[in-house]
Amino acid sequence: SQQGEEDPQALSIQEGENATMNCSYKTSINNLQWYRQNSGRGLVHLILIRSNEREKHSGRLRVTLDTSKKSSSLLITASRAADTASYFCATVTEGGNKLTFGTGTQLKVEL
Amino acid sequence: NAGVTQTPKFQVLKTGQSMTLQCAQDMNHEYMSWYRQDPGMGLRLIHYSVGAGITDQGEVPNGYNVSRSTTEDFPLRLLSAAPSQTSVYFCASSYRGGQGYEQYFGPGTRLTVT
Repeated sequence: SQQGEEDPQALSIQEGENATMNCSYKTSINNLQWYRQNSGRGLVHLILIRSNEREKHSGRLRVTLDTSKKSSSLLITASRAADTASYFCATVTEGGNKLTFGTGTQLKVEL
Repeated sequence: NAGVTQTPKFQVLKTGQSMTLQCAQDMNHEYMSWYRQDPGMGLRLIHYSVGAGITDQGEVPNGYNVSRSTTEDFPLRLLSAAPSQTSVYFCASSYRGGQGYEQYFGPGTRLTVT
């Protein structure tokens, strides 16, 4: 069963706008990771946030984690057409070493 | 570094045939894993290995075998292919398990079983 569920399933925005994707999970985690997948390609790691962290930034990416709500969000600011991809959250449970992926959000950034 | 490499990129099998999907990494990573990706299902873990000689099952292991005789290689064997195994298969590696370490993914193998 999926540990993480992303919302929305699909998102279409204009270039320059911000994109926000959400991830909810079921059990306590050690860390949560976000990955990007361009069409027909493998996944690329974007950012990792640990259970004792609340917010992390990397370039135009901002990730928040609310362990009380078992949820995370990924914000992409000033989006570009090149950001068009599927975005997945993945969790590692406490004491575990397996990464469990959600079903992903398909982001389309239009010119 | 080549990173994580997978061969073949595409494969068509008939039901009942067997084959091995190859995965290799040149980053001296201890942890390697195999996922399958199906539409609307995200990635599901098939098998993983925390080091040479050590493997364990993931979420969907039935119909697949793995072995890890070297740090570099982690082949995935389909014993008797079934149409339900039509999918895109990704191999990944990391320095350790998911605990605080990013996974590096290969480009994938697209498998069709007829």
